[in-house]
Amino acid sequence: DGGITQSPKYLFRKEGQNVTLSCEQNLNHDAMYWYRQDPGQGLRLIYYSQIVNDFQKGDIAEGYSVSREKKESFPLTVTSAQKNPTAFYLCASKEGGSRIQGRGELFFGEGSRLTVL
Amino acid sequence: GQNIDQPTEMTATEGAIVQINCTYQTSGFNGLFWYQQHAGEAPTFLSYNVLDGLEEKGRFSSFLSRSKGYSYLLLKELQMKDSASYLCAVRDQNSGYSTLTFGKGTMLLVSP
Repeated sequence: DGGITQSPKYLFRKEGQNVTLSCEQNLNHDAMYWYRQDPGQGLRLIYYSQIVNDFQKGDIAEGYSVSREKKESFPLTVTSAQKNPTAFYLCASKEGGSRIQGRGELFFGEGSRLTVL
Repeated sequence: GQNIDQPTEMTATEGAIVQINCTYQTSGFNGLFWYQQHAGEAPTFLSYNVLDGLEEKGRFSSFLSRSKGYSYLLLKELQMKDSASYLCAVRDQNSGYSTLTFGKGTMLLVSP
């Protein structure tokens, strides 16, 4: 079955540590996205990538980094520079890259919940 | 930038009809989405509007007026499982990049 897999589902980190969240998709989608969600808040865009080896900063990129070396994979690193990293992180993908194909809706993974101790 | 507003919370009774409104301000509008999100889970796609008018899909319908920057999601014959957060999201297409900006979501509580 095609889909998006995020791991780990739950992660605990000590202050000052970097942590990498994995996102893998087998939908053959060109575009991938990382969003952050805080309680009572909507989704805020961290980074996105429309094609391999290219990515763009979203609205809240500070303290985060990404890479897109393979079409299927878009890992997110939460660095120690991120002042308030405790949140629910959602990865999503969309077919068509910068082009809009069909509805062009986002497909989401199950999320990774990061808690900083 | 974009500004998307929707009510924070709504309550309704099982079997009733509820309308969740969303207003937005954006440049480069290229579609509006509604997603459903149960607590602790990923959002799932409900509906899409890019032209003015009503889109119906089973118990759920969504309306769009581009000139007014307004959309609503209509849920009929409410069921307990409809208790969830409903997210309005607007797609913006500028400089060849398309991104989706989400509102803060409307928490709907359906009571017996």
